[in-house]
Order: sequence, then C-alpha cells, then structure tokens
Amino acid sequence: EAGVTQFPSHSVIEKGQTVTLRCDPISGHDNLYWYRRVMGKEIKFLLHFVKESKQDESGMPNNRFLAERTGGTYSTLKVQPAELEDSGVYFCASSKGKLAGPIYYEQYFGPGTRLTVT
Amino acid sequence: QQPVQSPQAVILREGEDAVINCSSSKALYSVHWYRQKHGEAPVFLMILLKGGEQKGHEKISASFNEKKQQSSLYLTASQLSYSGTYFCGTEIGGGTSYGKLTFGQGTILTVHP
Repeated sequence: EAGVTQFPSHSVIEKGQTVTLRCDPISGHDNLYWYRRVMGKEIKFLLHFVKESKQDESGMPNNRFLAERTGGTYSTLKVQPAELEDSGVYFCASSKGKLAGPIYYEQYFGPGTRLTVT
Repeated sequence: QQPVQSPQAVILREGEDAVINCSSSKALYSVHWYRQKHGEAPVFLMILLKGGEQKGHEKISASFNEKKQQSSLYLTASQLSYSGTYFCGTEIGGGTSYGKLTFGQGTILTVHP
C-alpha cells in the first residue's frame, strides 16, 4: 500500500510569490490533515478535511493560505503571497474514517514539503 | 495548549531502556506517539484512547493516565534504529475537533552502539 506522498519535497521562493503544495493521501482515506513545523518549534495543526469538506480549519494562520480538496482525493495548499514567516516544513497526513466501536483516528504522515521563503 | 514532553533529549547505549513522558493540562480523548528520523515522515507508533483502548506496534508499549492526563512511552532493549525524535500528539476531541492533534516539542533519542 502506497503511503502519503507530497510534492514538491523542497521549494524555495521569494517573498510575495505564490506556492502550491500538493498532498496525495493513502487511497481510501477520507480524512486529510495539513500540519506545519516552523524551525525549532512544534508541529502545528492547520486544517482537517473529511472527503472534500473542511471539518476544522482553526489552525490556518491567515487568509493568505488556501486549502482545497476537490473530489475528496488529493489536496493542495496554496500560499499567496508568501511571507518570510511561512518558511517551514508542511506535512500532510491521512486517516481512515470513523470505525465502529471506539472511534479513533490513526494518522499517517507524508515526508513533508520544506518551504523556504527568501 | 501544547503538551509538555520530558526529557527533551536522552542518550542510550544499545540494550538500555528509556521512558518518554507527555503531559497535558487539558482533558484528553487520545494520545498519539510518533517517531521521526531526520528528513523523513513521522512514523505512527501508538495510539491510546480514553477508556483504555490502544493500538500500536508490537514492540512498543505505552500508558495513558487519564486522571493525570499523562502518557508515557516505554522503549525497552533499545536498538540503533530507535534513534530519532519522538513526538506525542494529543487529541481533545469533541465536535469538529476529532483528529486535530496538538504536538509536544519532541524528545530527541540517540542510541549508541
């Protein structure tokens, strides 16, 4: 079974430019999450999709960030315009839907996209 | 509020044991443990649910004290491959927040031959 994949692995852009990150979840996983780790700090939640719907976007830092998941498969995260503080590693994770009995979400992470804004 | 992990770093020799702790100030629904090696994806190790349910790798054990909102990850007979950064992710749950993990700052584990 293929894992979560992310593209690109690295991106270097100038302040003010636009960047789009892509995540392909594990096939059949309804839940897709975006997280970010800024240098030296903890991994922080950005948002959660259930299929194509945004379940929770409480972690999105501001309106320069736009996430989409058309068709409930892959997702994109666009940063426009990028600022210096947006630099970091952006992780995508996916998990199956709710299970019978105790409900738990076991999340599988992708390798991340390292974004550097200069 | 992010959970607090301790210790921040630990150095072991092969075969030694270690315990990594994760404490939260909030009532938790679940605790997730991950290990990340440099430049790679965080790898799922264990999930512990409120009420006692847990799932994870056979060689990994962990506990969750619901009264104290603390979880501990037990690494026994450590191997070189155990080296990496260990993260706990806590889930408060409720409403639309199921699945939203809040991570600790990480514990760097180094195992030497």
